Amino acid sequence: DGGITQSPKYLFRKEGQNVTLSCEQNLNHDAMYWYRQDPGQGLRLIYYSQIVNDFQKGDIAEGYSVSREKKESFPLTVTSAQKNPTAFYLCASSIRGADSPLHFGNGTRLTVT
Amino acid sequence: SQKIEQNSEALNIQEGKTATLTCNYTNYSPAYLQWYRQDPGRGPVFLLLIRENEKEKRKERLKVTFDTTLKQSLFHITASQPADSATYLCAPPPADSWGKFQFGAGTQVVVTP
Repeated sequence: DGGITQSPKYLFRKEGQNVTLSCEQNLNHDAMYWYRQDPGQGLRLIYYSQIVNDFQKGDIAEGYSVSREKKESFPLTVTSAQKNPTAFYLCASSIRGADSPLHFGNGTRLTVT
Repeated sequence: SQKIEQNSEALNIQEGKTATLTCNYTNYSPAYLQWYRQDPGRGPVFLLLIRENEKEKRKERLKVTFDTTLKQSLFHITASQPADSATYLCAPPPADSWGKFQFGAGTQVVVTP
């Protein structure tokens, strides 16, 4: 079955540590995205990538970094510079077309203490 | 900048009734709107896309309308069931940079037997 895999489901880190969240897709989609969701709130776009080796900042990119070295992979690093990193992180992918729906993974819940 | 608004209050509805959710947008005219369903702790799942030249779109018990004059889309769940309980998100296409998809905050629907 094709889909998006985010791992791990739950992640715990100490404050001051960088942490990398994994996102892999086997849908052969060109575009990939990272969103952050806080309790009771909507999705906020962190970074997106339309093609390998290219990515753009979303609305809340500060304190995060990404890479897109392979079509199927788009890892997100939450750096120690992110002031409030505890959140639910969602990765998505889509065909690079104007009206293509986004396919989401089931998220990683990151807790930083 | 583009703005998307959904009812922030949860919609509590009795089984069998019709749930109606609203998505209002301002500052631009999207060519289409997408609707997604999100269950707790999971990623959103695409449900329907309606284009600006389509007044109405249906999928099983779901119906979406798009009123470009009112800048509003309505999402209806007819003959609602407890399994329909979830948060429903609307998403227009990016107003400027392709790939910068934003979502409404979502409306939670609770269907009680």
